[in-house]
Amino acid sequence: GAVVSQHPSWVICKSGTSVKIECRSLDFQATTMFWYRQFPKQSLMLMATSNEGSKATYEQGVEKDKFLINHASLTLSTLTVTSAHPEDSSFYICSAKQAAYEQYFGPGTRLTVT
Amino acid sequence: AQKITQTQPGMFVQEKEAVTLDCTYDTSDQSYGLFWYKQPSSGEMIFLIYQGSYDEQNATEGRYSLNFQKARKSANLVISASQLGDSAMYFCATWDSNYQLIWGAGTKLIIKP
Repeated sequence: GAVVSQHPSWVICKSGTSVKIECRSLDFQATTMFWYRQFPKQSLMLMATSNEGSKATYEQGVEKDKFLINHASLTLSTLTVTSAHPEDSSFYICSAKQAAYEQYFGPGTRLTVT
Repeated sequence: AQKITQTQPGMFVQEKEAVTLDCTYDTSDQSYGLFWYKQPSSGEMIFLIYQGSYDEQNATEGRYSLNFQKARKSANLVISASQLGDSAMYFCATWDSNYQLIWGAGTKLIIKP
């Protein structure tokens, strides 16, 4: 099956710094990638939809200036958490859409802001 | 708007027994799809099975089968002969018109040896 990678898998950063998370589709081209956030024991919450070559579409309540998304190529989307704060600590998961209904998920990135 | 309901927050099942995880959905679309994903403690989301609304037969993938009852708007996941490695969170999902996944709250399944 299709493989999606995320890097890093785990990151600790200091409050006020920025962190970039990469999402790559390794063996297919993904015109659309999704970014999710997941709190402990909760379901995935869609943050934004990232389309290659265009601006990301953010869900209501998600700060565009805080969570910068760039989809520069058909195999790479990045999420940058700017000026991170402890409340941004969470599990971030990306997915890449291959066909109409096929979404493949990355392994996730656990972010801890101290 | 689409909605997925999973009413079982958690389940304990004896190893080797079959287990059914409930999922009901609400959609006004004529064409839709239903998914089940598994999320072990490592966090990765693992696709298990997909059922299209026009598929006449219930989807099956190895030990996983989807009990699709359209009239009742239910799409229960059945795991036969459960194994210890099946312990995980299980999420039911559908998609909206933009192919964004709409998720249920999840069911935590624990398999007892």
